[in-house]
Amino acid sequence: DIQMTQSPSSLSASVGDTVTITCRASQTIINFLNWYQQKPGEAPKLLIFGVSSLQRGVPSRFSGGGSGTDFTLTISSLQPEDFATYYCQQTYYAPRRFGQGTKLDIK
Amino acid sequence: EVQVVESGGGLVQPGGSLRLSCAASGFMFSGYEMNWVRQAPGKGLEWLSYIDSSGSTEYYADSVKGRFTISRDNAKNSLYLQMNSLRAEDSAVYYCAREAGTTDYFDSWGQGTLVAVSS
Repeated sequence: DIQMTQSPSSLSASVGDTVTITCRASQTIINFLNWYQQKPGEAPKLLIFGVSSLQRGVPSRFSGGGSGTDFTLTISSLQPEDFATYYCQQTYYAPRRFGQGTKLDIK
Repeated sequence: EVQVVESGGGLVQPGGSLRLSCAASGFMFSGYEMNWVRQAPGKGLEWLSYIDSSGSTEYYADSVKGRFTISRDNAKNSLYLQMNSLRAEDSAVYYCAREAGTTDYFDSWGQGTLVAVSS
């Protein structure tokens, strides 16, 4: 089975900072890599699909990159509403596994 | 407006069964693959199961294979998850999610339904 490894598992940052979360797949997944944001008590929300395409309505301070097995989510100029947990997910194979999540909190 | 709404959660004893439902609206349900995802308290997202648009192909996570069954009724715009032989570790919020696009992302999620397995 494919494994998805996210790092770091937690991250502290300040409003205005730029942060990067990484996600590594144990096998190549071409561009079938998506990112989700989840806030406490809420359902996950799609942020980025196909490595780098922004879902409609998602601010442009969110960006995704990478290829093959190594991917990144970058959030520029952090806003208060960005403090949440972020998950990567591969959808090239079944199981459509998620990374373990990265909790981003305020420093 | 695209919407999926889960129901059917509740408290069940270990070894028991429960059937979750997901009602879809605002889109052509029969044209989309669907998934179930769960989240145990304080834990991350765990993908559970996939079903294609016609209901002819299913995939399962190893953790639920042989115990859970995904199904759909396109005439009723509904997705189901039959859960048997429930264990304490199945306690979680269960989400249904629509799969879309060329890279199969999950673009619409319900609010979730809580399943608690306890004696």
